[in-house]
Amino acid sequence: AQTVTQSQPEMSVQEAETVTLSCTYDTSESDYYLFWYKQPPSRQMILVIRQEAYKQQNATENRFSVNFQKAAKSFSLKISDSQLGDAAMYFCAYYTGANSKLTFGKGITLSVRP
Amino acid sequence: DTAVSQTPKYLVTQMGNDKSIKCEQNLGHDTMYWYKQDSKKFLKIMFSYNNKELIINETVPNRFSPKSPDKAHLNLHINSLELGDSAVYFCASSQVGVTEAFFGQGTRLTVV
Repeated sequence: AQTVTQSQPEMSVQEAETVTLSCTYDTSESDYYLFWYKQPPSRQMILVIRQEAYKQQNATENRFSVNFQKAAKSFSLKISDSQLGDAAMYFCAYYTGANSKLTFGKGITLSVRP
Repeated sequence: DTAVSQTPKYLVTQMGNDKSIKCEQNLGHDTMYWYKQDSKKFLKIMFSYNNKELIINETVPNRFSPKSPDKAHLNLHINSLELGDSAVYFCASSQVGVTEAFFGQGTRLTVV
């Protein structure tokens, strides 16, 4: 069974600084997708970034980028120039067509200090 | 236009009651899901439908019954509500081959 592990329950970052959120996963599949979702206090789940396992290039979306290490099964999210609006819970998620479902990690609460 | 909409946003009800949560997506997606987020914020899939056909049914009490009248709608009916059913329930949709799921705003269910 696939598992997604986010071992840090909380992190804090100073506004304008950079922070990295960690995620590891376990799978025997070779074709899969990884995601980071953001959940602000409004509780809406917002897709931040997506990575296809077959792509070696790390995905980037503006201030958000990932470090995808397929052999190590690691998928970390880097947030550059942190803003107050980045404060939220962040979930790492895994998807494979073999079972057609998103498997989530436990999430990490990110706070941003002004 | 809201892509995935759920109603109601909040639901407070007494133990033993039966309630439904409705979900609609206007994205033209062929797969819809129900996820449960517990008090520790853990998200777990409950059901998945593809073109109105049930494809995932995780270990969920049979008091929970999903119904998909068409591929744009997936409703969740819960019988004989229990205190432990209190949670946030999310509907989501995706398109086969695209993979990312789009979520509704969630329904906070409180059973008293």
